[in-house]
Amino acid sequence: KQEVTQIPAALSVPEGENLVLNCSFTDSAIYNLQWFRQDPGKGLTSLLLIQSSQREQTSGRLNASLDKSSGRSTLYIAASQPGDSATYLCAVRGEKGRSGGSYIPTFGRGTSLIVHP
Amino acid sequence: EAQVTQNPRYLITVTGKKLTVTCSQNMNHEYMSWYRQDPGLGLRQIYYSMNVEVTDKGDVPEGYKVSRKEKRNFPLILESPSPNQTSLYFCASKGQVHYEQYFGPGTRLTVT
Repeated sequence: KQEVTQIPAALSVPEGENLVLNCSFTDSAIYNLQWFRQDPGKGLTSLLLIQSSQREQTSGRLNASLDKSSGRSTLYIAASQPGDSATYLCAVRGEKGRSGGSYIPTFGRGTSLIVHP
Repeated sequence: EAQVTQNPRYLITVTGKKLTVTCSQNMNHEYMSWYRQDPGLGLRQIYYSMNVEVTDKGDVPEGYKVSRKEKRNFPLILESPSPNQTSLYFCASKGQVHYEQYFGPGTRLTVT
């Protein structure tokens, strides 16, 4: 069964730092990996989606990479700002056609980020 | 505006009183799902639906029912809620092209 781990669980940094959040998964047969942001008590906002055939995706100050063979993805946040404070979640979806719930994504427990001024 | 909506956003109820949480999406997505989020356990999928009249169990379906009579709506039904169903619930839908998931704002349910 797929397991997704996110490290660190919590991170507190001063404004302006470049950050790396890590997501690792045990089964490399994935269809895609998606990074989300969740603000306290609110829903999830999609940040980046990486298909299994891709190596990275970029959106503004965010860059997500994917290394399927090693079961890892990283989310890079450049020049962090207080508004980036939130919990960041990664979710892995299994390959289409695989048994055992290929349409059920597995979520990590998130990295709680605080960026202080 | 493309969105997933849920109602109610907050609900306090008593054990055994049937309730329904509604979910609607305006993106013509075929795939919809329900999650619950609990501290220390993360997000877990309850049920999902691949299309109208097609539903299947997720990781934690016990105590829940769903229906998918229309493409845009996917209500979550708790026939006899219990305190262990106190949680934050999210509805999500997924596009067919890139399979990106869109989440609703969440429903915080408390069962006393």
